[in-house]
Amino acid sequence: RKEVEQDPGPFNVPEGATVAFNCTYSNSASQSFFWYRQDCRKEPKLLMSVYSSGNEDGRFTAQLNRASQYISLLIRDSKLSDSATYLCVVNGGSNYKLTFGKGTLLTVNP
Amino acid sequence: EADIYQTPRYLVIGTGKKITLECSQTMGHDKMYWYQQDPGMELHLIHYSYGVNSTEKGDLSSESTVSRIRTEHFPLTLESARPSHTSQYLCASSEYSGAFGAFFGQGTRLTVV
Repeated sequence: RKEVEQDPGPFNVPEGATVAFNCTYSNSASQSFFWYRQDCRKEPKLLMSVYSSGNEDGRFTAQLNRASQYISLLIRDSKLSDSATYLCVVNGGSNYKLTFGKGTLLTVNP
Repeated sequence: EADIYQTPRYLVIGTGKKITLECSQTMGHDKMYWYQQDPGMELHLIHYSYGVNSTEKGDLSSESTVSRIRTEHFPLTLESARPSHTSQYLCASSEYSGAFGAFFGQGTRLTVV
């Protein structure tokens, strides 16, 4: 089982749609969790951390289920500018290793 | 904006040349990383460092080498560049526990001809 697995995508949605990304991780000792966004031919940028209680930042909501080792990202009212690859990142283990998922490509269409 | 810088941004070089990709951060982060990424593909960790004088191989085998003589500096060297080394190289840093995530430089796009 891969350490971090994401929906393979790609996702194509119309403007205004709600889209959800899912991610599972294998290391139960993982301690911190993140969603990154990567635009085409650019570097990944931290979108938001993910907390056990769930957290929201505007149109973005992240959830963590430690028992199921599952992380999600919900984007409401999607915009054209949300088009990017979304990367699930898990940190933990004895060497605090940051592990990136393969990413899910989102295209928001007019 | 993250204070991590990579130079050069773009490099086109002939086969057999020695190259060094520079990466510097001013955040005082202990951990630094090098990733390799081809267009449209996933990130692959090739090297990382826990701090000064620490270097480790990543998940993807690479012919490159790294050094960490100063906290802020983590250069990557290819002794003899080949066309198969053509890729984007991304440097990142984080505080030791990684609890706040990692911050990336803008990358070096390397083309070996």
